[in-house]
Parts: sequence; structure tokens; C-alpha cells
Amino acid sequence: DVKVTQSSRYLVKRTGEKVFLECVQDMDHENMFWYRQDPGLGLRLIYFSYDVKMKEKGDIPEGYSVSREKKERFSLILESASTNQTSMYLCASFYRGSLGEQYFGPGTRLTVT
Amino acid sequence: SQKIEQNSEALNIQEGKTATLTCNYTNYSPAYLQWYRQDPGRGPVFLLLIRENEKEKRKERLKVTFDTTLKQSLFHITASQPADSATYLCALGGDYKLSFGAGTTVTVRA
Repeated sequence: DVKVTQSSRYLVKRTGEKVFLECVQDMDHENMFWYRQDPGLGLRLIYFSYDVKMKEKGDIPEGYSVSREKKERFSLILESASTNQTSMYLCASFYRGSLGEQYFGPGTRLTVT
Repeated sequence: SQKIEQNSEALNIQEGKTATLTCNYTNYSPAYLQWYRQDPGRGPVFLLLIRENEKEKRKERLKVTFDTTLKQSLFHITASQPADSATYLCALGGDYKLSFGAGTTVTVRA
């Protein structure tokens, strides 16, 4: 079974802090994604990566950056956390040869105070 | 701009009945459509995928239809069970990115 793990389930940070969220998948998937999920808004794509060191902006990249130094690991960075970044963050991956069914991690609920 | 709309109201049904969820979209020509299940506090889990040239797909008690003319997908859970209670998300794709709807929460009463 594909496994996608995220570094924390719950995280509380202060405004202005730099925040690192890490995602690891164990199935050699090329494509990895970071979403945030807010009530009534669904999942919104922040950034995605289709290969090591490759990244592309999603729909809401402002205030975020990403890093993909190894194929299995995709990190999301909040350079200076703000209260409007309080959200559920979900990482996902999928195999390039598939039709795109994504495998999700359990999510990180981030609260910025 | 692209828009994906799912049932705005939560769905409450009696065990054994069929739940029908809708997913409507505009300004989009997806190559395929996917449905996911999400339990509270967890990440979504992939259920079914249907291609643009397919009308219907089934998997056990689940059935999905896809009408590209109406720009609509229907998701049916037949013989529903309390364990089917969850939020169901539709997602449209055409390349390696997906666009998700906000989801419909289904509660099945015993």
C-alpha cells in the first residue's frame, strides 16, 4: 500500500514564525502536491512538484515556498506565518503513469496565533 | 473561471436507501473525474475515476455517471450503511493537477 506521511498532525505556531511541514511518500511517485483545506472552500492547490528540484505554483502560492531535494520528500515552508494561514494542510502524491488518482497523507492542522 | 459545485446541503438518509450526490462544473473540460471519501480529521481516499468518454462506472455499491454535455457527475451509494457516513469530494482533472469541489457530507442513520 502507498503510504504518505506528514511530519505533524497538529501544530501551533506564533505569527511571524517560519514553519516547516514535511511530507514523505514511499512509493517512488514522481508527482507530489501541497493543498490547504478550509471549510466551504474545498482543497486548494498551493504548490506541486513533478520531479526532484522541480516545482510549480498552484492556485494560492502566496506566502508559501516548497523544497524537493529528494524524490520521496516534499516540504512546504511558511516563511512568516500569519493567522490567515491557519488551516488543514494536506500532502498528496501520484504515479506519473496513472490517471492521476492521488494518495493523501493524514493532514497537518496548523494553528497560527 | 473554473467552478465546481457539489450539493450545498448535507445529506441525511436512512440506512438501506440510496444516496445521490451531484457534482456540477463550469468553464472546464476535464479528461476525467474522480471521487474521494474523507473522514473527519483525515486525508481524502480515492474511490473511483471515470473518463470523459465513459458514461457510467461501478465499484461494489458505488456508481458514478459522467455527462460532459450537462457538465455533471452523479455519485450513488446504494444500500447505504452507517459506515458510509463521510464527506465525499469530486475532483476534475485534465493533466496531472486536480481541481476539487468543497464536498458533500453524508450521514446514514441506522
